[in-house]
Amino acid sequence: AQRVTQPEKLLSVFKGAPVELKCNYSYSGSPELFWYVQYSRQRLQLLLRHISRESIKGFTADLNKGETSFHLKKPFAQEEDSAMYYCALLGTSYGKLTFGQGTILTVHP
Amino acid sequence: EAGVAQSPRYKIIEKRQSVAFWCNPISGHATLYWYQQILGQGPKLLIQFQNNGVVDDSQLPKDRFSAERLKGVDSTLKIQPAKLEDSAVYLCASSPRASYGNTIYFGEGSWLTVV
Repeated sequence: AQRVTQPEKLLSVFKGAPVELKCNYSYSGSPELFWYVQYSRQRLQLLLRHISRESIKGFTADLNKGETSFHLKKPFAQEEDSAMYYCALLGTSYGKLTFGQGTILTVHP
Repeated sequence: EAGVAQSPRYKIIEKRQSVAFWCNPISGHATLYWYQQILGQGPKLLIQFQNNGVVDDSQLPKDRFSAERLKGVDSTLKIQPAKLEDSAVYLCASSPRASYGNTIYFGEGSWLTVV
């Protein structure tokens, strides 16, 4: 079975502060991990994926297989980062994508 | 490139009525997903198609939900009869194939309210 846990339902920070959204997963094989973002009244869109090892909009995420975590980080939060963030796991058996419960990030001015 | 198209965007029905949602995936995408997103929760996979075959429907409430993808292109999700707890956003998504390294693209969703 594959499972994704996002322990924080809500996260509030001030503009310019660092932010970290936590994600832990459970999967017996080697999964592919993603972060999706959903801005107000917009569709879910891919933010980044662990195999790309890239930084998108200042966000980075490192896959830690020992801790089975894939936390999303940004050193200086911006107001436009306010959104719902979902961590997701793609199982390699037949491509099942499982989402966490999501974290609502609010960046205050 | 056109995205995943869904219709209708919004639907309000009474309990015990039926409703159908339509999805047109990105051209050439073999894998199609239907997710249910209840307010305050993450999306939950209802059914996954690979071309016109079902790969996973383990979380589809088969007594009231059905889905088909007859020609391996667009898909329809039906609920009959609807219950109050079916109120949710129904998301359709597609990817070139269900494998490592592929990106899954989402539609805007169909918002269902059952009263």
